[in-house]
Amino acid sequence: KAGVTQTPRYLIKTRGQQVTLSCSPISGHRSVSWYQQTPGQGLQFLFEYFSETQRNKGNFPGRFSGRQFSNSRSEMNVSTLELGDSALYLCASSLGLAGESYNEQFFGPGTRLTVL
Amino acid sequence: KNQVEQSPQSLIILEGKNCTLQCNYTVSPFSNLRWYKQDTGRGPVSLTIMTFSENTKSNGRYTATLDADTKQSSLHITASQLSDSASYICVVRLGGSQGNLIFGKGTKLSVKP
Repeated sequence: KAGVTQTPRYLIKTRGQQVTLSCSPISGHRSVSWYQQTPGQGLQFLFEYFSETQRNKGNFPGRFSGRQFSNSRSEMNVSTLELGDSALYLCASSLGLAGESYNEQFFGPGTRLTVL
Repeated sequence: KNQVEQSPQSLIILEGKNCTLQCNYTVSPFSNLRWYKQDTGRGPVSLTIMTFSENTKSNGRYTATLDADTKQSSLHITASQLSDSASYICVVRLGGSQGNLIFGKGTKLSVKP
């Protein structure tokens, strides 16, 4: 089975621009979660989508949004980029909701976003 | 405040030695606790998942323990190998319908020959 794939792997943007990141989950997985990882803050939960509905949301501003399509693929959008948005953005897929016991999450390799 | 604290922040050990990483949490209500291994430049990989009723779980040379009363967990690595060099992240899931995951900042382990 193919793993979780994320595109692009690397991205450079300037302040004020917007960006869209894509995540394709493992076949059959219906949950996709997004995380931001920075050296200072570690991994922080952005949001989780399950069957095209946002099920959970972390404490991020409204500039961060996402959606999930009927084939479970997900996109994350960040508008009006700030320098502090530079980070590794990881997505993870699981069969059911990520937090439920024994629903193992499988992470993608991430998209490294640099905001100049 | 729901928090997960890991110690030490970083650790250097010699190949073949054992080590133990610590995770203390103040998450309530508690649902489950997970340990992940993250190699540099890659996404995290799950090592173990434990609910409050489980106090030990092994995955090869990795053994996780959980004390739900003291809200502490540890990850013990036996006979370390160079490939164990990675960050180890402790994650606690909130109980209830939301069930958000609270992440620790990780312990960076370096195994030297």
